[in-house]
Amino acid sequence: EPEVTQTPSHQVTQMGQEVILRCVPISNHLYFYWYRQILGQKVEFLVSFYNNEISEKSEIFDDQFSVERPDGSNFTLKIRSTKLEDSAMYFCATAPGSTSTDTQYFGPGTRLTVL
Amino acid sequence: AQSVTQLGSHVSVSEGALVLLRCNYSSSVPPYLFWYVQYPNQGLQLLLKYTSAATLVKGINGFEAEFKKSETSFHLTKPSAHMSDAAEYFCAVSAKTGNQFYFGTGTSLTVIP
Repeated sequence: EPEVTQTPSHQVTQMGQEVILRCVPISNHLYFYWYRQILGQKVEFLVSFYNNEISEKSEIFDDQFSVERPDGSNFTLKIRSTKLEDSAMYFCATAPGSTSTDTQYFGPGTRLTVL
Repeated sequence: AQSVTQLGSHVSVSEGALVLLRCNYSSSVPPYLFWYVQYPNQGLQLLLKYTSAATLVKGINGFEAEFKKSETSFHLTKPSAHMSDAAEYFCAVSAKTGNQFYFGTGTSLTVIP
């Protein structure tokens, strides 16, 4: 069964450094998302991406964050200058087009630790 | 706006007993509702979903959920708990395709031998 994959599985960085989290969506999926889950808290929406542009973003997704799909396959989340409070598990999710189901398929996550 | 409330952050059941995890939703439009399971150190796996077809939805691993509009509920049940069901369970709601999911705070299920 096709899966969403994410790399790296664990990223440790120093505060103020830039990080890029990568996701390979399920082939032919059209909707892409990033969520995060701070330890012990609920999963929170960050941003959705469709047709090569952001379609929705949350208050969390400020100017420090950006997303892109540079090569038509990988979907990336960049945090320009990491803060301690960015430490969380980051999940990528993808969904099929509107002619199919609405399920979002989640990747295994990248655990980001900011020191 | 959409939101979900999961009552009970921790639920413990004995092996073989009924599992009932509660989820109530708020939505200004007909909702799409989902249950996901998260095993330790893993991502979110879809258990089942409701997308305006049958109100009783059957999912994987013997789980099912019933959409009750009058109660704005989408509770998850399983007749007989298994040790392997121990995990974190999340209810989520979405308004339509492409929209963000709104997750509940999760319910941690413990199965007692």
